Amino acid sequence: QVQLVQSGAEVKKPGASVKVSCKVSGYTLTELSMHWVRQAPGKGLEWMGGFDPEDGETIYAQKFQGRVTMTEDTSTDTAYMELSSLRSEDTAVYYCATGASGSYTYFDIWGQGTMVTVSS
Amino acid sequence: DIQMTQSPSSLSASVGDRVTITCQASQDISNYLNWYQQKPGKAPKLLIYDASNLETGVPSRFSGSGSGTDFTFTISSLQPEDIATYYCQQYDNLYTFGQGTKLEIK
Repeated sequence: QVQLVQSGAEVKKPGASVKVSCKVSGYTLTELSMHWVRQAPGKGLEWMGGFDPEDGETIYAQKFQGRVTMTEDTSTDTAYMELSSLRSEDTAVYYCATGASGSYTYFDIWGQGTMVTVSS
Repeated sequence: DIQMTQSPSSLSASVGDRVTITCQASQDISNYLNWYQQKPGKAPKLLIYDASNLETGVPSRFSGSGSGTDFTFTISSLQPEDIATYYCQQYDNLYTFGQGTKLEIK
């Protein structure tokens, strides 16, 4: 059974960067298509990007292009999401999500979420 | 980008009621649509995939239908534990979520 365990809450100043990790157990990261979704306080879900197995590349929502980098360490089965040039609007819970058995059309496995607060 | 418009944004219903939420895509997405349930402080949970397929372990009172641009999510008999926010999500071109429907008990 796939489980995703994320790193702990972060508090960052505007302009800084944050790197959130997502540790996979029960599967190897190479078998999964990992994605990142965020949710600002009281707001809806927003897809940020993820791995496209059809192209073998990571794809990003246009809104985050140039500011987000998603990487994977297959030796530790850990995925990372780094967001730079943080602003107050980036305050949100960040989730990693994936589809069991390598599916990339739906997300049935989610991490517990990581709260990132951007404040001066 | 494909836009997903959910309605209503909030809904109040009584236990036992039939509840319907709609989701409209800005262009034809075939059946490339999923529905999620999110309870406060929790990660979303997949309920329906490919517009009408019930995820394993999800109660049969939940169902989905539609194709093209218009989709419907239904709870046949509302239970107290169904209080949550529900989201549609398309995956035809990248991924987009609807803005959510907050369901409350009347």
